[in-house]
Amino acid sequence: NAGVTQTPKFQVLKTGQSMTLQCAQDMNHEYMSWYRQDPGMGLRLIHYSVGAGITDQGEVPNGYNVSRSTTEDFPLRLLSAAPSQTSVYFCASSYSYADPTYGYTFGSGTRLTVV
Amino acid sequence: AQSVAQPEDQVNVAEGNPLTVKCTYSVSGNPYLFWYVQYPNRGLQFLLKYITGDNLVKGSYGFEAEFNKSQTSFHLKKPSALVSDSALYFCAVRDMDTGGFKTIFGAGTRLFVKA
Repeated sequence: NAGVTQTPKFQVLKTGQSMTLQCAQDMNHEYMSWYRQDPGMGLRLIHYSVGAGITDQGEVPNGYNVSRSTTEDFPLRLLSAAPSQTSVYFCASSYSYADPTYGYTFGSGTRLTVV
Repeated sequence: AQSVAQPEDQVNVAEGNPLTVKCTYSVSGNPYLFWYVQYPNRGLQFLLKYITGDNLVKGSYGFEAEFNKSQTSFHLKKPSALVSDSALYFCAVRDMDTGGFKTIFGAGTRLFVKA
C-alpha cells in the first residue's frame, strides 16, 4: 500500500516557467488537497477536491491550478512560476471530507525552488 | 473563524524527562482536534485526535494529549522523552464552519530532545 505518492521530490524552476506537481493515492480517498509549507507559517491550503470532477480554492490559490479527473490523481499546476512560490508542497488525502473524525494522510513532499 | 495557536516555536527537553507541546484552539462548534508530527525531510504523520469522550487521548509512539474545554487547549504530552522524538509538531483543527472541507494547522513547534 503506497499511500500518497508525490513526484518529483525536488525541482528548480526559472521564473516564468510552468510545471505540474503530481499526487496520487491508492486508498480510494474521496478528499485530496494541496498545502504549501513555509517557515513560521505552518501549512496553508492551496486547493482541495471532494471527489472526481470537483475542486475548490483554499487559502492561497493564486498562481496555481488543479484538476481531478480520477479519484486517484490530483495534480497541481504552476502556471508561471514566481520566486514567491519557492516552498515545500504537500499533498494530503482523507477517506471522507464530511466526517471530521478522519485525519489526513500526507505525501512526502516536493521541495520547489524558483530562481 | 476557527483557528489554532501554538505559542512556542521551540521546546527543549532532556531525554527521559516529560514533555509538553502546547496548543490552544478557537472553534464555533464542537472541536475536532488533531496532532501531526513531521520528521526531517518527510511528510506529516498523524499522531492522535480528539473527537469526543475521554479528555485524555492516547496516540502513536507513546504520545497522549489532554483536551481542556474550559481552557480551550489541547496540549501534547509524553511521560518520558526520547531523542528520536525530536521533530516538528503541528496542532490542527477541522474547520467545520466550511463544512469540514478544510483543516487549519498551527505554525508548528520544533521539539529538541537532548541526550
